Amino acid sequence: EAGVTQSPTHLIKTRGQQATLRCSPISGHTSVYWYQQALGLGLQFLLWYDEGEERNRGNFPPRFSGRQFPNYSSELNVNALELEDSALYLCASSLGYSGSLYEQYFGPGTRLTVT
Amino acid sequence: DAKTTQPNSMESNEEEPVHLPCNHSTISGTDYIHWYRQLPSQGPEYVIHGLTSNVNNRMASLAIAEDRKSSTLILHRATLRDAAVYYCILRGNFGNEKLTFGTGTRLTIIP
Repeated sequence: EAGVTQSPTHLIKTRGQQATLRCSPISGHTSVYWYQQALGLGLQFLLWYDEGEERNRGNFPPRFSGRQFPNYSSELNVNALELEDSALYLCASSLGYSGSLYEQYFGPGTRLTVT
Repeated sequence: DAKTTQPNSMESNEEEPVHLPCNHSTISGTDYIHWYRQLPSQGPEYVIHGLTSNVNNRMASLAIAEDRKSSTLILHRATLRDAAVYYCILRGNFGNEKLTFGTGTRLTIIP
């Protein structure tokens, strides 16, 4: 069974541009989570989508947004990129809405570098 | 979000048991205790979770204190592959299912 996949693996952008990151969950999983892992800041929760709806949002500015498609894949968009947005962006998927019962499976991440 | 406290680092000899402690004194009645680990250059990996009773799976055991204010992850026989950062996380429910990662414990396995 295929795991969580993310694309691209690496992304280099300049300050002020927009970045789009993509995630495909494990087949049958309806929940997708996005996390940011910046150097020195650890893993921070960004967004959670389930059944196409945004369910929860971390403490990030509105220029971080996303969506979930009918096939449960997801996209993270970061507008007006800043240097401090450079980080590893991780996507995870899990079964169902009552997520505490289910583990999250993480993808390999997208390394975003803003110059 | 309820917080967890873990030692920054621990060392263990290969093939010996490892006990990784976690304190979570502000845990609420509906919080699940989850453990994840992150191997170098990889995304986090689920290890185990529980609510009140001790839990066992093929990777590890989770011992939960009776008052639920602390827990211990037990690796029964550490291997070099178990070297990772281990995160103890309290995970809510009913719309609060996100994982709030702390700083974790960096486990070093000595051959």
